[in-house]
Amino acid sequence: DQQVKQNSPSLSVQEGRISILNCDYTNSMFDYFLWYKKYPAEGPTFLISISSIKDKNEDGRFTVFLNKSAKHLSLHIVPSQPGDSAVYFCAASDNQGGKLIFGQGTELSVKP
Amino acid sequence: EPEVTQTPSHQVTQMGQEVILRCVPISNHLYFYWYRQILGQKVEFLVSFYNNEISEKSEIFDDQFSVERPDGSNFTLKIRSTKLEDSAMYFCASRAGTVNTGELFFGEGSRLTVL
Repeated sequence: DQQVKQNSPSLSVQEGRISILNCDYTNSMFDYFLWYKKYPAEGPTFLISISSIKDKNEDGRFTVFLNKSAKHLSLHIVPSQPGDSAVYFCAASDNQGGKLIFGQGTELSVKP
Repeated sequence: EPEVTQTPSHQVTQMGQEVILRCVPISNHLYFYWYRQILGQKVEFLVSFYNNEISEKSEIFDDQFSVERPDGSNFTLKIRSTKLEDSAMYFCASRAGTVNTGELFFGEGSRLTVL
């Protein structure tokens, strides 16, 4: 039961360019969507989130877009930096106890 | 900055042995969670805990698993009789009890290796 899907296991971009990471979901009851960044052997670190009542949230170089009709969200990183290289997980919360459901992750590699 | 801490960072055990993973959530948080990540796979929800009881658990969290908050600070995950497939990174997470924005704070994880 894959309620949250990230169909691209990896993405490679050039430093300074835009990185776009995508995520699809199936459950229309999700009320928050989040992006976490994860380095090997470390815990996920919160990056940015968006409420289901909004369609865009921006924080510095990071912007998350939500398209509820398509059940799709994306994370834009611009400009991308080598330090952004990590695995990015999309997650969703249904406010029924607050658990997060994670996608499979996309490994971003930003090349100098 | 407050953080979630987990011990041990790595534990190696023999199949069939009991394992206890420990977590100290952020001090004013009220909701606690355990997740696991098998190598190369996604982060999977195991259990959530609130007000000294389990509020939700996944199919993975069978009778071999239990959680406890033995005092005001620790939150533990016990695996009674470990199996090879329990080898994974286990992450503890917590969140405050106020407005729910979805954000969970994760610890660094405990790597469990079952031989």
